[in-house]
Amino acid sequence: AQRVTQPEKLLSVFKGAPVELKCNYSYSGSPELFWYVQYSRQRLQLLLRHISRESIKGFTADLNKGETSFHLKKPFAQEEDSAMYYCALHPPNSGGSNYKLTFGKGTLLTVNP
Amino acid sequence: DTGVSQDPRHKITKRGQNVTFRCDPISEHNRLYWYRQTLGQGPEFLTYFQNEAQLEKSRLLSDRFSAERPKGSFSTLEIQRTEQGDSAMYLCASRGGDNTGELFFGEGSRLTVL
Repeated sequence: AQRVTQPEKLLSVFKGAPVELKCNYSYSGSPELFWYVQYSRQRLQLLLRHISRESIKGFTADLNKGETSFHLKKPFAQEEDSAMYYCALHPPNSGGSNYKLTFGKGTLLTVNP
Repeated sequence: DTGVSQDPRHKITKRGQNVTFRCDPISEHNRLYWYRQTLGQGPEFLTYFQNEAQLEKSRLLSDRFSAERPKGSFSTLEIQRTEQGDSAMYLCASRGGDNTGELFFGEGSRLTVL
């Protein structure tokens, strides 16, 4: 069965510092990986997906199949980045395009002034 | 706001009572999902609809749980004979027919079973 592990429940950095939120997955195949974010009092929303290879709000994430990781990085954190971040996996072999996601437990990022 | 809406936002009930949650997806989205989130956990998949067809159910969805999407638009999630372990946030999400994989979530319905 697939699993997503986010080893840090809490991560605190100062404004302007680099930030890396870790995500490891277990799945024997080529999954699709996503980062979802939930800002305070807002709904859960997609931040980025590995297939698009985009930088969203300064965040990037690279899928490392050898290490089965999909860490989220930003070189200079901003206070507005404070939020709960969830890594999620979609196993394409699970049923085509149903996008039944498996989420990690999340990491609460706090960016201090 | 044309996003996914859920009702009620909060529900407090006594053990043994039945509760029903409603989800209205984004209007052009034909795929609808229910997830459950408990404290300190990420969302866990419960069930998935494509139009009115319920295509997949998680083992988490015991026989006390039933979900419907009768006309392929809004969906309901009913929990019968609630137990304290059912206390959680119930999230609904929808998406369209593209393959971006982006789910659009509602704000959730928080259930507290006393």
